[in-house]
Amino acid sequence: KQEVTQIPAALSVPEGENLVLNCSFTDSAIYNLQWFRQDPGKGLTSLLLIQSSQREQTSGRLNASLDKSSGRSTLYIAASQPGDSATYLCAVRADTGNQFYFGTGTSLTVIP
Amino acid sequence: DTAVSQTPKYLVTQMGNDKSIKCEQNLGHDTMYWYKQDSKKFLKIMFSYNNKELIINETVPNRFSPKSPDKAHLNLHINSLELGDSAVYFCASSKYLATQYFGPGTRLLVL
Repeated sequence: KQEVTQIPAALSVPEGENLVLNCSFTDSAIYNLQWFRQDPGKGLTSLLLIQSSQREQTSGRLNASLDKSSGRSTLYIAASQPGDSATYLCAVRADTGNQFYFGTGTSLTVIP
Repeated sequence: DTAVSQTPKYLVTQMGNDKSIKCEQNLGHDTMYWYKQDSKKFLKIMFSYNNKELIINETVPNRFSPKSPDKAHLNLHINSLELGDSAVYFCASSKYLATQYFGPGTRLLVL
């Protein structure tokens, strides 16, 4: 069964710093991988989706990479801002398309 | 305009009661999902419907029954509520296999 792990569980950085969040998964038979952010008491907001055939996706200050064979994805956030403070979740969709697994999340705090 | 909406936002009820949570999406998506987020914030998929057909049915108690009257709606009915059902329930929708969009969540507390 697919297991998705995110390290670190919590991260605190000063404003302006570049940072990397990690996501690892045990079964490389994935269809795509999606990164979300969740603000306290709110739903999830999709940030980036990477298809299994892709190596990376970029949106503004965010860059997500995917190494399917090693079961890893990273989310790079450039020039972090206090508004980036949230929990970041990765999720993988199995290549059958019909299973979806979330990671354990990384709680990010950006200190002004 | 709200893309994925859920009602109610908060639900406080007694053990043993039956309750329903409604979900609607106006994005024209063909796939809808229900997730449960527990007290440790871990998200787990419960059900998924594609074109009103059940395609994911994870191991959840059969007290939980999803119903999709049309592609824009996916409701969740829960019978005989238990203390352990307390959680936040999220609805989401997508085009099949594409980016998922989440609702704001329904916070269920069973007393």
